Amino acid sequence: TQLLEQSPQFLSIQEGENLTVYCNSSSVFSSLQWYRQEPGEGPVLLVTVVTGGEVKKLKRLTFQFGDARKDSSLHITAAQPGDTGLYLCAGGGYNAGNMLTFGGGTRLMVKP
Amino acid sequence: DAGITQSPRHKVTETGTPVTLRCHQTENHRYMYWYRQDPGHGLRLIHYSYGVKDTDKGEVSDGYSVSRSKTEDFLLTLESATSSQTSVYFCAISEGQLDEQYFGPGTRLTVT
Repeated sequence: TQLLEQSPQFLSIQEGENLTVYCNSSSVFSSLQWYRQEPGEGPVLLVTVVTGGEVKKLKRLTFQFGDARKDSSLHITAAQPGDTGLYLCAGGGYNAGNMLTFGGGTRLMVKP
Repeated sequence: DAGITQSPRHKVTETGTPVTLRCHQTENHRYMYWYRQDPGHGLRLIHYSYGVKDTDKGEVSDGYSVSRSKTEDFLLTLESATSSQTSVYFCAISEGQLDEQYFGPGTRLTVT
């Protein structure tokens, strides 16, 4: 059982659709990061959320940190083929330990 | 882009042989990490380093050892490779323990 559970594991949608990816845990985090990884490359940070209830927007991507700091979501509006990739959440701090722990990832495919 | 390189980028080796992967950074970051990535498991931490000659185990350290004799280099050694160690290996760096991590391009290792 992973400290961070991501759902869904796989998502295949048409261009223009909206989607939400979830990252859940029973541990409390001091911060939570979201990364995107494209095939053949390493993950790249999208955003870090640090305050319970915090919402951050990055163009069509909206990130939310749960009030209790145990979960987070990533919502993409009007998905585009360029959004295709593996989305990873990573959390650490408080009772989750002093190292970043990564979730299993959500693999997103956006078809034109 | 953060200056992180990994070598080799691809390697095929036989069961029982020793293998060393190298990570080199030009950012002078204190922390360096080795992860393995397998389908359905996201990124799992093998070992990490918090300074020259200072290393610690991660979640999946069995069968692996590391060394850091210089700030810029972090080596991962498989003393006797097994087929279960076939994976993609990523090196990452960060300034602080829970800070953004910058990833290298990965090394695809196949143990036959």
